[in-house]
Amino acid sequence: AQSVSQHNHHVILSEAASLELGCNYSYGGTVNLFWYVQYPGQHLQLLLKYFSGDPLVKGIKGFEAEFIKSKFSFNLRKPSVQWSDTAEYFCAVITTGRRALTFGSGTRLQVQP
Amino acid sequence: DTGVSQNPRHKITKRGQNVTFRCDPISEHNRLYWYRQTLGQGPEFLTYFQNEAQLEKSRLLSDRFSAERPKGSFSTLEIQRTEQGDSAMYLCASSLGGGSSTDTQYFGPGTRLTVL
Repeated sequence: AQSVSQHNHHVILSEAASLELGCNYSYGGTVNLFWYVQYPGQHLQLLLKYFSGDPLVKGIKGFEAEFIKSKFSFNLRKPSVQWSDTAEYFCAVITTGRRALTFGSGTRLQVQP
Repeated sequence: DTGVSQNPRHKITKRGQNVTFRCDPISEHNRLYWYRQTLGQGPEFLTYFQNEAQLEKSRLLSDRFSAERPKGSFSTLEIQRTEQGDSAMYLCASSLGGGSSTDTQYFGPGTRLTVL
């Protein structure tokens, strides 16, 4: 069965710092990849997604992610974080022929002003 | 608000009681999903409907859990004889479906269940 690993459980950054959150999945076939974000008190929202084509995908609020197939990775990046980026970030994968998302355990990002 | 809605938002019950949650998907979305999320973990898949047909169930969905989507619109998730281990956030998501390879799931706010 596929799995998703998010190695950073809690990240603390100062405003304007650069962000990179790691995501690795285990599955040898075709995958669709997602990053969801959950702001405090809010529901899960889609940040960005990769289905095919350009491995560098851009999402909302200045976030981007790069799919590196050889490394089974889909890391999330933002060049300069803001206090409002404080949230929990989840990486998720869907494998070919399935409809269920498999999520990582999440990374809690705390941005200090 | 045209997003996924869930009711109730919070439910506190005593062990052994039955509870039922409702999910209203985004209008015209024919796929509906239930997930469960416990503290410090990502959501875990429970079950999935395409229209009124329940097409996939996780092994996490024990016999005490039942989900329905009778008219292909809203869905209910019932837990019978609740246990303390059932305490979690129950999330519903919906997607457009229709054979699209770029199907994206949109989540509701969840129902937080506390079993005393």
